[in-house]
Amino acid sequence: QVQLQESGPGLVKPSETLSLTCTVSGGSVSSGNYYWGWIRQTPGKGLEWIGYVYNSGGTNYNPSLKSRVTISADTSKNQISLKLRSVTAADTAVYYCARKYGSGDERFDPWGQGTLVTVSS
Amino acid sequence: SYELTQPPSVSVSPGQTASITCSGDKLGDRYVCWYQLKPGQSPLLVIYQDTKRPSGIPERFSGSNSGNTATLTISGTQAMDEADYYCQAWDSSTAVFGGGTRLTVL
Repeated sequence: QVQLQESGPGLVKPSETLSLTCTVSGGSVSSGNYYWGWIRQTPGKGLEWIGYVYNSGGTNYNPSLKSRVTISADTSKNQISLKLRSVTAADTAVYYCARKYGSGDERFDPWGQGTLVTVSS
Repeated sequence: SYELTQPPSVSVSPGQTASITCSGDKLGDRYVCWYQLKPGQSPLLVIYQDTKRPSGIPERFSGSNSGNTATLTISGTQAMDEADYYCQAWDSSTAVFGGGTRLTVL
């Protein structure tokens, strides 16, 4: 079955770029049937959708984060990546990657275990 | 922007039925998913397309969606069901999550 595993630095300084990678096993990020996305859980604020990549290049982002976010897929490594620029303490969160089904279904399943990123100097 | 509203907490006795609501404008016109979050574990999809259970999810989990309210119902609640539950829907190609409900089984 498909499994996802997030990785990346656990500490990022304010104003810098947060960079995370999600490694997918048991499935292909180049599959046309699925999209691959990022979701975060901020302390005390619940879940927030960040965006997703599809067809190895197309993207869709949360309007509230769009100006700072880039999500991309590396089909040779079967990975997706997240870059969030100009971070502040408000970006401190557990970041999850998840597979999203296509149109008409739209569920996120499965999810990775998540990785905690703290923004602090 | 579209908003989904959930009660912050729900309590239930073991073996009883727990109901968690999710409210939004004309929510019944959209598909709703429900996710279970437990500390240290991957979030788990428990209901999709309002009423469908993924493979492996116990039958005690069920969902409904009509009007402005979607409901996650857990029948015969067990201690292992204690978790945070989030509803989710789509609005103009943007995924929206509710604020989450902590289910306490006591």
